[in-house]
Amino acid sequence: DGGITQSPKYLFRKEGQNVTLSCEQNLNHDAMYWYRQDPGQGLRLIYYSQIVNDFQKGDIAEGYSVSREKKESFPLTVTSAQKNPTAFYLCASSVTGFNTEAFFGQGTRLTVV
Amino acid sequence: DAKTTQPPSMDCAEGRAANLPCNHSTISGNEYVYWYRQIHSQGPQYIIHGLKNNETNEMASLIITEDRKSSTLILPHATLRDTAVYYCIVRVARGTNAGKSTFGDGTTLTVKP
Repeated sequence: DGGITQSPKYLFRKEGQNVTLSCEQNLNHDAMYWYRQDPGQGLRLIYYSQIVNDFQKGDIAEGYSVSREKKESFPLTVTSAQKNPTAFYLCASSVTGFNTEAFFGQGTRLTVV
Repeated sequence: DAKTTQPPSMDCAEGRAANLPCNHSTISGNEYVYWYRQIHSQGPQYIIHGLKNNETNEMASLIITEDRKSSTLILPHATLRDTAVYYCIVRVARGTNAGKSTFGDGTTLTVKP
């Protein structure tokens, strides 16, 4: 089935370690996005990519990095520079162009101890 | 993207219609109204979107006022599985990224037996 897959669902890391969250889609979508969600709050955009080998910062990019080497993959690295990395991370994808909606993965809950 | 205002929470009896309001008084002429919902600890799910005409699909109906400054999402026969956080978003749909949206805090709908 076509869809967007995030792995793992739960992730634990020690403070000071970098960690990479996986996001893969087989929907043939050009655009992909990463959001962060804190408890009881909405989604905040971290990074987005409209096309392979190109990406832009969102509203809260500090402490994060991404790559877009393949159309179907958009991994997010949470670096040690991110002050409060514990959160729920959501990846999404969409076609670009007119009148479309985004499809979201099931999220990765990162806990830094 | 224009800002939206939604009530933080609403209750609805099972089997009754759930009417979720959204104010978007600063919406511009080329911005669409989108609705997503998020069930606890999952990724948001697209529900419906519209520009100025009322829209209906298998999940819901969207009623947009004539001045486009507000809208109402209608779930015609709410079930317990409709309990979720509902997000109203306004964004330009033509030629831009569907996933690059501002998600506020949404409305928590609780459907009660």
